[in-house]
Amino acid sequence: AQTVTQSQPEMSVQEAETVTLSCTYDTSENNYYLFWYKQPPSRQMILVIRQEAYKQQNATENRFSVNFQKAAKSFSLKISDSQLGDTAMYFCAFMTLGQGNLIFGKGTKLSVKP
Amino acid sequence: KAGVTQTPRYLIKTRGQQVTLSCSPISGHRSVSWYQQTPGQGLQFLFEYFSETQRNKGNFPGRFSGRQFSNSRSEMNVSTLELGDSALYLCASRPGGPDETQYFGPGTRLLVL
Repeated sequence: AQTVTQSQPEMSVQEAETVTLSCTYDTSENNYYLFWYKQPPSRQMILVIRQEAYKQQNATENRFSVNFQKAAKSFSLKISDSQLGDTAMYFCAFMTLGQGNLIFGKGTKLSVKP
Repeated sequence: KAGVTQTPRYLIKTRGQQVTLSCSPISGHRSVSWYQQTPGQGLQFLFEYFSETQRNKGNFPGRFSGRQFSNSRSEMNVSTLELGDSALYLCASRPGGPDETQYFGPGTRLLVL
């Protein structure tokens, strides 16, 4: 069975600084997707970034980028130039290609301080 | 395009009752997945529907059921509610095909008293 582990329950960062959130996963599958979602206090789950396992290039979306290490089964999220609006719970998620079930980690609560 | 919508947004029920939650996916999306979010268990997958067929099911009792209509709208039903069913229920849709990204609705917060 696939599992997703986020080892940092809480983190804080100063505004404008950079922070990295960790995620590791376990799977025997070869074709899968990895995602980072954020869930602000409003509870709306918002997609931050996604990575297809077959792509070697790390995904980037504006201030958000990932470090995808397939052999190590690691998928960390780097947030550059942190903004107050980045304050949220961040969930790492895994999905096998063709399946409709995301497997989530427990989440990391990120606080951006002014 | 309008996002995923869920109704109702908030619901209070008592033990033993049943409840039906509704989810309208993004236009053109054929797959709808449901998740339960609680402080203790985190986010757990309930089931997925694709073109009116349940394709995948999580580890939940039979009291949890769902269906999908021809317009891709989906409903989930929980019968004989228990206190532990209090949770945020999230619905997510995806197009099907090569894009596997799931887009979430705002959720329905269910409180069972």
